[in-house]
Amino acid sequence: DTAVSQTPKYLVTQMGNDKSIKCEQNLGHDTMYWYKQDSKKFLKIMFSYNNKELIINETVPNRFSPKSPDKAHLNLHINSLELGDSAVYFCASSRAGVGWNQPQHFGDGTRLSIL
Amino acid sequence: TQLLEQSPQFLSIQEGENLTVYCNSSSVFSSLQWYRQEPGEGPVLLVTVVTGGEVKKLKRLTFQFGDARKDSSLHITAAQTGDTGLYLCAGRDNFNKFYFGSGTKLNVKP
Repeated sequence: DTAVSQTPKYLVTQMGNDKSIKCEQNLGHDTMYWYKQDSKKFLKIMFSYNNKELIINETVPNRFSPKSPDKAHLNLHINSLELGDSAVYFCASSRAGVGWNQPQHFGDGTRLSIL
Repeated sequence: TQLLEQSPQFLSIQEGENLTVYCNSSSVFSSLQWYRQEPGEGPVLLVTVVTGGEVKKLKRLTFQFGDARKDSSLHITAAQTGDTGLYLCAGRDNFNKFYFGSGTKLNVKP
């Protein structure tokens, strides 16, 4: 029933580790996004894919690598985790092309804590 | 520096009161969306405004897009405890990128 689902919901790990967050949407949308929400609740786009193709790639360290095996999935792999990576990461999807006036449907977020 | 500034940052009111949240920028946006986010969940879209000066109503919520498409406001009439949450505006620029505002945390007390 869930439209956009992310796993895991919580991720606690040590600095320097490599981790992945998975995202799947069952809405049939063409476009998927990754956002980072910091402790002040500021939501900033990181990446966007349209039909498995990278459309938006904001100024994000190359330790972050998105992968879209098909248009229903957009996973986020993070290498060499740093303290500043602690945040809530949201996956979202929308219909049609990037930025069109379609609603973005968000997952419930993955809370990443770096020790 | 954020492209979209929201004010106030925090708002705590009694049930039944009215309130207005502002979303301001020096940039022009093609459209603007308002989302509400509850703790432990992702943002949920409330409305999209596209035309300068446009006003949209959603029950007790009234959204307005500024004439110059640089700002927007959200007015809630007779607030209820269920309106509690984080309100986010998001503007789309001419390059089809979305920028989220700094957020307004609303607490409606019974």
